[in-house]
Amino acid sequence: NAGVTQTPKFRVLKTGQSMTLLCAQDMNHEYMYWYRQDPGMGLRLIHYSVGEGTTAKGEVPDGYNVSRLKKQNFLLGLESAAPSQTSVYFCASSRGTEVHTEAFFGQGTRLTVV
Amino acid sequence: KQEVTQIPAALSVPEGENLVLNCSFTDSAIYNLQWFRQDPGKGLTSLLLIQSSQREQTSGRLNASLDKSSGRSTLYIAASQPGDSATYLCAVLFGNEKLTFGTGTRLTIIP
Repeated sequence: NAGVTQTPKFRVLKTGQSMTLLCAQDMNHEYMYWYRQDPGMGLRLIHYSVGEGTTAKGEVPDGYNVSRLKKQNFLLGLESAAPSQTSVYFCASSRGTEVHTEAFFGQGTRLTVV
Repeated sequence: KQEVTQIPAALSVPEGENLVLNCSFTDSAIYNLQWFRQDPGKGLTSLLLIQSSQREQTSGRLNASLDKSSGRSTLYIAASQPGDSATYLCAVLFGNEKLTFGTGTRLTIIP
């Protein structure tokens, strides 16, 4: 049972390049989230999805786009990477609003933009 | 704005002591609250989940309480051990959608 899997685990980008981070979950969860974690800032919500085909903005959405074409996958895109997007990115999923639902996290993607 | 706050940012205690970590939130209309542990360079591990209708949850040496009316939750760790050293994060599910995190408390247990 893989849980939440993030791809890739590490990446170095040059300013202006684009990339897509993939989050995949095998728990049939409805809700999926993308966060970034920076020193002293905690985890900040970038975008989230409450079901297949839906997306919504979080706290820090600028410079990122997302898609949820399949229920098990949530993609985070950077169209033109900037050094300010150097961070550790975490994906999470949960069943949603069912009783006793909890959020499960991937192991993170460490992104450096130079 | 829905916010989650954790104070202090860092805490050091001698091994064997009991300790309490604090979490406060600005909106009492929460769906649930979850405590996580994060080791350096690693992902998040779920410790305890409290539904909005519950007052507390227990797992081993850990006990989490929830007081919605005052916007507070505490994580109690009994008989602390060096292996408990980590950053502890509180996350609140607001409005059935947004899972919002505090900035965490970095706990160090001194042998």
